Amino acid sequence: KNQVEQSPQSLIILEGKNCTLQCNYTVSPFSNLRWYKQDTGRGPVSLTIMTFSENTKSNGRYTATLDADTKQSSLHITASQLSDSASYICVVSAKSYNNNDMRFGAGTRLTVKP
Amino acid sequence: DGGITQSPKYLFRKEGQNVTLSCEQNLNHDAMYWYRQDPGQGLRLIYYSQIVNDFQKGDIAEGYSVSREKKESFPLTVTSAQKNPTAFYLCASRNRLSGAKGDQYFGPGTRLLVL
Repeated sequence: KNQVEQSPQSLIILEGKNCTLQCNYTVSPFSNLRWYKQDTGRGPVSLTIMTFSENTKSNGRYTATLDADTKQSSLHITASQLSDSASYICVVSAKSYNNNDMRFGAGTRLTVKP
Repeated sequence: DGGITQSPKYLFRKEGQNVTLSCEQNLNHDAMYWYRQDPGQGLRLIYYSQIVNDFQKGDIAEGYSVSREKKESFPLTVTSAQKNPTAFYLCASRNRLSGAKGDQYFGPGTRLLVL
């Protein structure tokens, strides 16, 4: 079982609408949580990163939240644009001696329609 | 994609053939990584390297090999022992001294297809 579960798998919304993507994790001991945006056929690009003590982080129209007690995170996209169409990947890092233990969710595929 | 390049963008492999995927970075990062991405699955780590002339197996290293002769370069060879190589391959790099919050920067990827 994957240690990082994302929902929904896919989502279609109309341009200008808001949406929220979910990420649940079991990774332990927790170090940090990242959200990446991946356009089709491209590499992922970092949107936000949160540590245990941070419960919200914004990057423009993207706002990520973290509840470390329930091991849940969400990514809220406000006033969606066509360019937001992409996969959004939740990545949870475990504390490790070399900071290399990253666990990737399968992603949520977002389609924004005009 | 930052300062990381991958080539080729598409690669076709015949049965029993070894193929090599290129990854180059000009970010002066010590750490480099290779991931495999399959539909419906999260990225899986194949190999990583913290410094030149040193590399470690990731979760799915079987059927793959790497080298790290230069700081800027981390090529991945998909050998004939890898029976299901069709996937999207992503290379990443990171400043090893940036600590736990240091970001990985990804290349644009190489799509490998089997003929």
